[in-house]
Amino acid sequence: DAEITQSPRHKITETGRQVTLACHQTWNHNNMFWYRQDLGHGLRLIHYSYGVHDTNKGEVSDGYSVSRSNTEDLPLTLESAASSQTSVYFCASSARGFTDTQYFGPGTRLTVL
Amino acid sequence: GIQVEQSPPDLILQEGANSTLRCNFSDSVNNLQWFHQNPWGQLINLFYIPSGTKQNGRLSATTVATERYSLLYISSSQTTDSGVYFCAVGEAGGGADGLTFGKGTHLIIQP
Repeated sequence: DAEITQSPRHKITETGRQVTLACHQTWNHNNMFWYRQDLGHGLRLIHYSYGVHDTNKGEVSDGYSVSRSNTEDLPLTLESAASSQTSVYFCASSARGFTDTQYFGPGTRLTVL
Repeated sequence: GIQVEQSPPDLILQEGANSTLRCNFSDSVNNLQWFHQNPWGQLINLFYIPSGTKQNGRLSATTVATERYSLLYISSSQTTDSGVYFCAVGEAGGGADGLTFGKGTHLIIQP
């Protein structure tokens, strides 16, 4: 069965370190998204991609970057982790853009000390 | 950007009860999804419903796009229905891409 996976599922890091969260989908979807979930804010869009070599900023993109070198993967990088980036991160994908059903991965819980 | 409001924020019911969750949004949408976030944090798609009515077992949803609201109905609640229910919308007409989420309804079903 097609699926979307994230790794690691839990990560503890220190302020200032670079961190990369992986997202891999086997749906063969062109569109991939990264969200963060925080108490009191719900889920907010960080970055998204509509295809290979395409990346776009979302609502809360500062301090994050993504790159899309193939259809299956959209890694999220925190260039210099800050305590404010402690959150749960969700990756999602869809077949036909933002007007289509988005399927979510299991999430990565990141703690920045 | 588009605003999404869900009500009620919290709901406690006995097993077997019915419930209605509401999602209001401030602008036209071309995507609306309902999710259930289970106690393990997984976001589970319930419905993709930018307009109209759908049913899946004990759950059904209705979106009245012209009046900018959607309703999620849960009938004969079970303890496994507990969790947080999110409404998420995609804004029509060139708004921010991706989904804008409401803050959710926290549902507790007591045995």
